Amino acid sequence: AQSVTQLGSHVSVSEGALVLLRCNYSSSVPPYLFWYVQYPNQGLQLLLKYTSAATLVKGINGFEAEFKKSETSFHLTKPSAHMSDAAEYFCAVSDPGGGADGLTFGKGTHLIIQP
Amino acid sequence: ETGVTQSPTHLIKTRGQQVTLRCSSQSGHNTVSWYQQALGQGPQFIFQYYREEENGRGNFPPRFSGLQFPNYSSELNVNALELDDSALYLCASSPGVGAGITQYFGPGTRLTVL
Repeated sequence: AQSVTQLGSHVSVSEGALVLLRCNYSSSVPPYLFWYVQYPNQGLQLLLKYTSAATLVKGINGFEAEFKKSETSFHLTKPSAHMSDAAEYFCAVSDPGGGADGLTFGKGTHLIIQP
Repeated sequence: ETGVTQSPTHLIKTRGQQVTLRCSSQSGHNTVSWYQQALGQGPQFIFQYYREEENGRGNFPPRFSGLQFPNYSSELNVNALELDDSALYLCASSPGVGAGITQYFGPGTRLTVL
C-alpha cells in the first residue's frame, strides 16, 4: 500500500526566506505525486504535480518540487516566502498500478510566515 | 468556467441519523471523487464515480454510499451517523479517470455529528 509522510506538522519561516516542506512517499511503483494547498475554510488547490516527465516540476505562485527516486522524496520549495503563502500544504500520491484512482494524502504541514 | 460546488456548507446531525451531501462537478468533468478530512488530518479517499458507476473505493464501510447523475453531479450518503463521522467532506471532479489526472476540489461540507 502506498503512503505519504510529511515531516513537520508546522513550519515557520520569515517573510522573504526559503520555504522547504518535506514529503516522502512509499509506493511499489513510481507514483504520480501532487502538492495541494488549503487556505482556511476552503477546498484544496493544486500547486503542482509530477507525472514521470521532468523531475523538477514548477508550479503556481513560485513553488517548485523535485522528484528524487533514490530518496523517495518530493519536497516542495519556494525561494522567497510571502505572507500570502501561509496555509496548510498537503502532499499526495497516486499509484498508477492501483485499482482505484483516489489520492493518498499526507497529514499536512501548516506553513507560518513571520513578518 | 464554474468550479466544483458543494452543498450545504455546514450541517449538524445527531448520531444515528442519515445525511446526504451534494456536489456539482466542474464543466466538462465526468468523474467525481469524495474524500473525508478529519480535523488536523489529510483527506482520506472514500470512493470515485465515473460515468455514473462506482470506479473505486477506499477503506470506508458500506454505510457510506454514493450516486452520480447523468449531468455528472454526485451525492454522498452516510447512514447511521457516528460521532467519528464529524469531518470536512470534500468532493473533487476530474476530466476522466487515471492516476495522473488532476482532481479539482470543491470548498467542502463541514459535517458535525452530535
